[in-house]
Amino acid sequence: QSALTQPASVSGSPGQSITISCTGTSSDVGGYNYVSWYQQHPGKAPKLMIYEVSNRPSGVSNRFSGSKSGNTASLTISGLQAEDEADYYCSSYTSSSTLRWVFGGGTKLTVL
Amino acid sequence: EVQLVESGGGLVQPGRSLRLSCAASGFTFDDYAMHWVRQAPGKGLEWVSGISWNSGSIGYADSVKGRFTISRDNAKNSLYLQMNSLRAEDTALYYCAKDRAAAAGPGSWFDPWGQGTLVTVSS
Repeated sequence: QSALTQPASVSGSPGQSITISCTGTSSDVGGYNYVSWYQQHPGKAPKLMIYEVSNRPSGVSNRFSGSKSGNTASLTISGLQAEDEADYYCSSYTSSSTLRWVFGGGTKLTVL
Repeated sequence: EVQLVESGGGLVQPGRSLRLSCAASGFTFDDYAMHWVRQAPGKGLEWVSGISWNSGSIGYADSVKGRFTISRDNAKNSLYLQMNSLRAEDTALYYCAKDRAAAAGPGSWFDPWGQGTLVTVSS
């Protein structure tokens, strides 16, 4: 199965907002309102940031928000902070005859 | 506090086998589906396999189907991944992750994750 498509890198200055896109197909992102987003700092395990397209787990800053339009989901981080610098991955269930999930290739966020 | 601790990784020759384990604590293990996700060095995340609470539903990525087998022992609060016919491209950090529900499906997400166990396949 193909990975979801994310930009390899994005950057922004402290206080600015950035958006990371995640493009799939009608068999994954477009077919379900179940896109999730994960943050991964170097040498650390991934951390859930957004689930079901736009919901934040308890403890995740409200500077993080998610949305979806058609086959493309987006993660927006507002009021960029230095600690937001990390890799970000989207994920979606993908329809098939068996259980299956797919991740995006990951986006490196640099806070300038 | 939910904790997931992976073990069993190491250096193995191509074609050989390895069994990974994930010890779970801090939650009722048999109330949740579980997953294995891997990350090759310097690369992105790849979902490997998932299993429902009662082992009734199981799925595998195409890249490991027929070679890897996921299982769980709810009495021991443990998740396993039996990896056979290992290839160089299986070299990765293997994470176990908890599902949000008992029955893995479209609404699943992965939270939390363990710290991973490194598998290196090389001669």
